Amino acid sequence: EIVMTQSPATLSVSPGERATLSCRASQSVSSNLAWYQQKPGQAPRLLIYGASTRATGIPARFSGSGSGTEFTLTISSLQSEDFAVYYCQQYNNWPLYSFGQGTKLEIK
Amino acid sequence: QVQLVQSGAEVKKPGASVKVSCKASGYTFTSYDINWVRQATGQGLEWMGWMNPNSGNTGYAQKFQGRVTMTRNTSISTAYMELSSLRSEDTAVYYCARKKGSGWYAPFDPWGQGTLVTVSS
Repeated sequence: EIVMTQSPATLSVSPGERATLSCRASQSVSSNLAWYQQKPGQAPRLLIYGASTRATGIPARFSGSGSGTEFTLTISSLQSEDFAVYYCQQYNNWPLYSFGQGTKLEIK
Repeated sequence: QVQLVQSGAEVKKPGASVKVSCKASGYTFTSYDINWVRQATGQGLEWMGWMNPNSGNTGYAQKFQGRVTMTRNTSISTAYMELSSLRSEDTAVYYCARKKGSGWYAPFDPWGQGTLVTVSS
């Protein structure tokens, strides 16, 4: 099983500032890495796949990078609607998927 | 548009079974795998298993093997997840999610709205 580890668990950032979230895989997942955003009471929403490709309708302030075992999600200028929980997911070890434990992005 | 609509909330007693449905629309149901993911209150996402709606082939996370069964009815474009021998730790929101692409490597998009399953005596 591939274990995904996200850091930090909680990130406090002011609106308008940049947020950087990290995700590490216990073994290489190539670029088969996705990021999801989840708001309270809602289902997760796909933000990024293929490590760096934005999903349909996702604003350009969201960007992803990395490959192999180290990945980053960057939100360039935080808007109020961006405060949420973010999860990474590897889908390289198909069909045994795994998620990180999540990073809560909160208002500073 | 592509949409997954799940059945409503359930309350079950320990030891019972629950069956959650996931109705697909806006695409060819048999062309994309359906996955099930659960989330306990305040916790992260836990992948449970997958099903190929065309063949009916399934694969389950080791944690759920022997307790979960994923099936489908192609005539009504609906997938099902049945979990048996319920215990309090199974209290969670259960999501279905479609694989984004028909190839091997693809994330999940879209997701159903979630179904709350509460296990309580």
